[in-house]
Amino acid sequence: AQSVTQPDIHITVSEGASLELRCNYSYGATPYLFWYVQSPGQGLQLLLKYFSGDTLVQGIKGFEAEFKRSQSSFNLRKPSVHWSDAAEYFCAVGVFNDYKLSFGAGTTVTVRA
Amino acid sequence: ETGVTQTPRHLVMGMTNKKSLKCEQHLGHNAMYWYKQSAKKPLELMFVYNFKEQTENNSVPSRFSPECPNSSHLFLHLHTLQPEDSALYLCASSQDTSDYEQYFGPGTRLTVT
Repeated sequence: AQSVTQPDIHITVSEGASLELRCNYSYGATPYLFWYVQSPGQGLQLLLKYFSGDTLVQGIKGFEAEFKRSQSSFNLRKPSVHWSDAAEYFCAVGVFNDYKLSFGAGTTVTVRA
Repeated sequence: ETGVTQTPRHLVMGMTNKKSLKCEQHLGHNAMYWYKQSAKKPLELMFVYNFKEQTENNSVPSRFSPECPNSSHLFLHLHTLQPEDSALYLCASSQDTSDYEQYFGPGTRLTVT
């Protein structure tokens, strides 16, 4: 079965600084990869997804992620964070022909002024 | 209403109570999901319905009972819960279970006293 690790439980970043959130997965074949964001009191919103093709994926809200097969990683980046990016971020993995997603435990992002 | 809605948003119940959580999706989807979200743990998939048929029961205790009367509505009936059942319960939907892109509701924050 596939698994997902988000090594960073909590990250604090200054407004305007860059942000990178790490995600590593364990799965033998090419997985389907997702990043979701959860703002306080809200459900999860899909930021971006990777199924195949270009390994650099653009998402909503200025986020991008890069799939690196050799490192089994799918790290999320944003060049310049805004205070509204303070939230919890979840990486998820799906596999072919199985609709169940495996989620990481999440990374909480705090943005300081 | 748009997207996925959940009611109530907050619920406090005693261990002997019976209550129900409601989820409604306005996206024309055919698959609906219940997840349990506990602090700093990955989301746990509980139940899945596809075209009103239950396709997944992820070893959930019988004190949780799902109901899906139609493709737009999903209920989670609760009875004789335990304090460790306190969590955020998230509902999600997708076009069907071959579609990996899930849309989440805001969740119901359940506290069992």
